[in-house]
Amino acid sequence: EIVMTQSPATLSVSPGERATLSCRASQSVSSNLAWYQQKPGQAPSLLIYRASIRATGIPARFSGSGSGTEFTLTISSLQSEDFAFYYCQQFNNWPRTFGQGTKVEIK
Amino acid sequence: QVQLQESGPGLVKPSGTLSLTCTVSGDSVTSGTYYWSWVRQPPGKGLEWLGSIYYSVTPNYNPSLKSRVTISIDTPKNQFSLKLSSVTAADTAVYYCARERWSTVMNYYYYYGMDVWGQGTTVTVS
Repeated sequence: EIVMTQSPATLSVSPGERATLSCRASQSVSSNLAWYQQKPGQAPSLLIYRASIRATGIPARFSGSGSGTEFTLTISSLQSEDFAFYYCQQFNNWPRTFGQGTKVEIK
Repeated sequence: QVQLQESGPGLVKPSGTLSLTCTVSGDSVTSGTYYWSWVRQPPGKGLEWLGSIYYSVTPNYNPSLKSRVTISIDTPKNQFSLKLSSVTAADTAVYYCARERWSTVMNYYYYYGMDVWGQGTTVTVS
């Protein structure tokens, strides 16, 4: 099983600032990685797939990068609606595995 | 527009079987290149993938649950289902169904993430 490790667990950022979230895989997942955003009481929603491609309707301030074992989600200028939990998930192998999540909170 | 909707009992007794159904609208469970998946989230915790099924192919399951979990497809009803046996309080969670999109070109597989999710249903084991 591929273990996905996200850091930091919590990221405190002021509105308008840049946020950088990391996701590391215990073995290579190529580019088969997705990022999700989850707000309290809501289902997760897809932000990024294949490590760097924005899903339909996702603003350009969200960007993903990386391949192999190291991945990054960057939010270039945080808006109020971006304060939420973020999860990475690998699709390279079965079982599919998620990272434990990063909470982006208002500083 | 594709929509997924979970349904099933919100309360299950310990040692019983949790049974949930996901109804798919706007698409067919037999169309395209999709895995139909279940994911859960215990209170205050992260996401856990439970398993996925593609049309009539043998499902893939989370090894930590493999002996207890069964996922199946009901083609006439355009639904897929989750059964989790011998439940304990640790199985209390919000359960989501989701669609995972993929494609294949020249024997290379491309994965596009879980692009459609149900709203989730809370199941309490007590």
